[in-house]
Amino acid sequence: NAGVTQTPKFQVLKTGQSMTLQCAQDMNHEYMSWYRQDPGMGLRLIHYSVGAGITDQGEVPNGYNVSRSTTEDFPLRLLSAAPSQTSVYFCASSYSRSLNQPQHFGDGTRLSIL
Amino acid sequence: GQQVMQIPQYQHVQEGEDFTTYCNSSTTLSNIQWYKQRPGGHPVFLIQLVKSGEVKKQKRLTFQFGEAKKNSSLHITATQTTDVGTYFCAGSNSNSGYALNFGKGTSLLVTP
Repeated sequence: NAGVTQTPKFQVLKTGQSMTLQCAQDMNHEYMSWYRQDPGMGLRLIHYSVGAGITDQGEVPNGYNVSRSTTEDFPLRLLSAAPSQTSVYFCASSYSRSLNQPQHFGDGTRLSIL
Repeated sequence: GQQVMQIPQYQHVQEGEDFTTYCNSSTTLSNIQWYKQRPGGHPVFLIQLVKSGEVKKQKRLTFQFGEAKKNSSLHITATQTTDVGTYFCAGSNSNSGYALNFGKGTSLLVTP
């Protein structure tokens, strides 16, 4: 099993550009989520999904869209990138939506917005 | 919304010294999880605590969940250089729906 795969690993964008960060898991996990990590801020939840076709907002959803058309994939879209979105983005998944299961994280995408 | 506070933000110890990080929530938690993130890496699950007053051990690491299920701690005995990294707690409760909220983490530096 590959676990949670995030692509790309690094990306530089210009302000106003759009981009999709990809996340895929091959563990048939029900729950998937996106976090951003900034120095001194820890991991902040952007969006999450408890199953295909179901998404919800986390702590910092503004400027980001998500969809969950399949169990395996949970892409994160930046429609118009801003410098404040420079961050490291982590995708995570877990077996069930009950949040009593370990979260499996991808290796992250390091995103810079100029 | 639910707040999970973690202290200290940073800790620098000499190898062999003990280390403790504390996690506090403004609301009663259903469970609490602990993760470790090595520099440049991604968070890795360490353990989950569910029961009030629960204590679990993993070799030199001891995890506790408070009686009121509002606080937790991670204690490392006799730190080693391999313990370097950032330790996060994460909690959820019935009010947070399916959102798992992380503390800001404690970054541990161990010098030989």
